[in-house]
Amino acid sequence: EPEVTQTPSHQVTQMGQEVILRCVPISNHLYFYWYRQILGQKVEFLVSFYNNEISEKSEIFDDQFSVERPDGSNFTLKIRSTKLEDSAMYFCASSDLTRQETQYFGPGTRLLVL
Amino acid sequence: QQQVKQSPQSLIVQKGGISIINCAYENTAFDYFPWYQQFPGKGPALLIAIRPDVSEKKEGRFTISFNKSAKQFSLHIMDSQPGDSATYFCAASGGSQGNLIFGKGTKLSVKP
Repeated sequence: EPEVTQTPSHQVTQMGQEVILRCVPISNHLYFYWYRQILGQKVEFLVSFYNNEISEKSEIFDDQFSVERPDGSNFTLKIRSTKLEDSAMYFCASSDLTRQETQYFGPGTRLLVL
Repeated sequence: QQQVKQSPQSLIVQKGGISIINCAYENTAFDYFPWYQQFPGKGPALLIAIRPDVSEKKEGRFTISFNKSAKQFSLHIMDSQPGDSATYFCAASGGSQGNLIFGKGTKLSVKP
């Protein structure tokens, strides 16, 4: 069964450093999402991406964040200058054209900012 | 308006019992209500979902009950098993937004 994959599974970085989180969505999906989950809290929407552009973003997704689909398979989230409060689990999700709302999540990247 | 309120925060059920988790929403533009199951260290996995045009949907031991007038929906897990022990999140989406709004989650423990 096709699944969303994410790399790395864990990342430790120093405050102020840039990090790039990578995702490979399910191959025939056209909608891509990033969510985050701070430890013990609910899953929060960050951004959605369709047709090579951002379609929605939350107030969390400020100028420090950016997304990109550099090729036909990868979808990345970049945090330009990490802060302590960016420590969280970051989930990528994807959905197809006919059932956009049915989102399939990857296993996540645990980011720890020191 | 965008919140989804979920209760209880935690739930302990004996093996074979019924687990019931409740959610409420305010935004009447929501038209899709999924439940996700999450095991520690894993991503949320879609369990079952419902749209407001039906009041109930059943898949195996999992049932969603939906009350449109009350703006509430609930997950029932029949014959709960220790393997069902996980955190369950309700969510909602709809209107002009495709993103999911999640509840705060319910940690279910099924005791053998």
